[in-house]
Amino acid sequence: RKEVEQDPGPFNVPEGATVAFNCTYSNSASQSFFWYRQDCRKEPKLLMSVYSSGNEDGRFTAQLNRASQYISLLIRDSKLSDSATYLCVVNVTSDSGGYNKLIFGAGTRLAVHP
Amino acid sequence: EPEVTQTPSHQVTQMGQEVILRCVPISNHLYFYWYRQILGQKVEFLVSFYNNEISEKSEIFDDQFSVERPDGSNFTLKIRSTKLEDSAMYFCASSEGVSQPQHFGDGTRLSIL
Repeated sequence: RKEVEQDPGPFNVPEGATVAFNCTYSNSASQSFFWYRQDCRKEPKLLMSVYSSGNEDGRFTAQLNRASQYISLLIRDSKLSDSATYLCVVNVTSDSGGYNKLIFGAGTRLAVHP
Repeated sequence: EPEVTQTPSHQVTQMGQEVILRCVPISNHLYFYWYRQILGQKVEFLVSFYNNEISEKSEIFDDQFSVERPDGSNFTLKIRSTKLEDSAMYFCASSEGVSQPQHFGDGTRLSIL
């Protein structure tokens, strides 16, 4: 089983649409969670952290369900500039807190068209 | 906004040669990382570094790889004898703490001929 699993897409949506991305993770030692976006041949850029209580940042809403090891991202009123690959990322930390590493999903591609 | 900077942006090297990729993490960050992304594949963890030593490394990070923080600002990744399969984008990242978001540099594209 992949450590972080995402639907690869692509999701092709018109401007203004609402789109939802889902992600599951397998490592129960995962302690913090993020969504990053990556434009073609660019670096991953932090979009938002994800909390169990759910969190919102403008048009973006993220949710975490630790019991089912599931993470989601909702984008409302999508814009052309939202076109990118969205990476689900979990931060695995050692019990002692001595080290951590990010485990990336393969990403879900979003294409927003006029 | 402070950012992670990486040099060079593109490095072309003959197989078997040594390369050094350079990074300047965000100044108040304490944790440093290297990741790589082979074209068309996902981002993969290589190594984490804290308090002047490696704290975790992946299977990819074998004896050919090393990291160093030679001074108070630079963080380097060295590949001693490059192979064709080392061709990838290499990203440096840094964070304030173990659970804090990691911020990425814009990467070095390494091409091995």
